[in-house]
Amino acid sequence: DSGVTQTPKHLITATGQRVTLRCSPRSGDLSVYWYQQSLDQGLQFLIQYYNGEERAKGNILERFSAQQFPDLHSELNLSSLELGDSALYFCASQTSGDSTDTQYFGPGTRLTVL
Amino acid sequence: GNSVTQMEGPVTLSEEAFLTINCTYTATGYPSLFWYVQYPGEGLQLLLKATKADDKGSNKGFEATYRKETTSFHLEKGSVQVSDSAVYFCALSDRNTGNQFYFGTGTSLTVIP
Repeated sequence: DSGVTQTPKHLITATGQRVTLRCSPRSGDLSVYWYQQSLDQGLQFLIQYYNGEERAKGNILERFSAQQFPDLHSELNLSSLELGDSALYFCASQTSGDSTDTQYFGPGTRLTVL
Repeated sequence: GNSVTQMEGPVTLSEEAFLTINCTYTATGYPSLFWYVQYPGEGLQLLLKATKADDKGSNKGFEATYRKETTSFHLEKGSVQVSDSAVYFCALSDRNTGNQFYFGTGTSLTVIP
């Protein structure tokens, strides 16, 4: 158990809908990362937050957005969903946000768009 | 830009065989290098890491040495077990590019008794 929690574990929805994925980092960790894992694209970095502020942006679509709240939990919002958004979404937390620091991954949310 | 290239899988080995999974990287600065492992149905877990050139990371019998001259971080284990069956990801993080993590495509390992 990494100490990172993600809810829900599974999500099934329809095209055009909007969903929110939630992540609670390990106690004391200030940095949260979001990743998308799909069979054809591998593990893609989406976005990083550090202590409530956006720090780095990767291959995140405009239909996706995220935020980190004062209690340090984070939410990833996916809107106007398409079939191709079906994937595993992981969040990871890190104590400092420094490049030498280990990332601890949650168990993931499996999103299926029908 | 930064990138990680790792050996294509899947890899199938017999128990007690020697394992090597190759990983090479491209980075603009001085990255930290990581190996993560993903067991079926789970998230990624850190296996080992090295934060500067010539450092050796090791854990659970796995080792990898940060080779700046060959830009490599190959994963090795002398004697694999069935329980090592998983997907292995090489990754780098570079302070010069905002500490973003770059992952390889993953190498699936199956160890048969």
